[in-house]
Amino acid sequence: DAGVIQSPRHEVTEMGQEVTLRCKPISGHDYLFWYRQTMMRGLELLIYFNNNVPIDDSGMPEDRFSAKMPNASFSTLKIQPSEPRDSAVYFCASSLVGTSVHNEQFFGPGTRLTVL
Amino acid sequence: QQQVKQSPQSLIVQKGGISIINCAYENTAFDYFPWYQQFPGKGPALLIAIRPDVSEKKEGRFTISFNKSAKQFSLHIMDSQPGDSATYFCAAPTGVNQGGKLIFGQGTELSVKP
Repeated sequence: DAGVIQSPRHEVTEMGQEVTLRCKPISGHDYLFWYRQTMMRGLELLIYFNNNVPIDDSGMPEDRFSAKMPNASFSTLKIQPSEPRDSAVYFCASSLVGTSVHNEQFFGPGTRLTVL
Repeated sequence: QQQVKQSPQSLIVQKGGISIINCAYENTAFDYFPWYQQFPGKGPALLIAIRPDVSEKKEGRFTISFNKSAKQFSLHIMDSQPGDSATYFCAAPTGVNQGGKLIFGQGTELSVKP
């Protein structure tokens, strides 16, 4: 298995532009998580899905952020309009709950976003 | 809001020494305590985890010690190696039936000097 796949790996954009981050979870996993990592705030959960349905989006910072999961193999995190304070590394993770006592989350390599 | 408080923020250890990272949690209903390891430029990956019905779990040089009464758990890295240099996160589930949703500590940046 290729693991969790994220694209792009790096994104540089200008303030005000729309940014779309993409994630392909591990096949068969039923949970998908989006995280943001910064030096100041650490690893923050933004939103998570179960069977393609958003369960908890309380971590989404503002209405500028939106996430979708149109099918079991694809999710997007969109920022519109982007701002310099959105600069961070965004991780996607997936898990298969119920088959392991650990409920291990598998993280992708992340997308480093820089908003100028 | 439920939290997991991790310390120290950074740690420097000599090769062969013991690295100790501590975490404190609030919710006594937590039933699973994992540690994740993150190398620069990579996503976090599960290192080791413990359930609260045991006080200690060891996997190679890595040991989790769990103190239920104090609501604390710690990661011990024995015979620390330069290859262990990474950021370590403790975590805990946010509640029952949360689908594996975790709260992460702030992270500890470990540097093992040769």
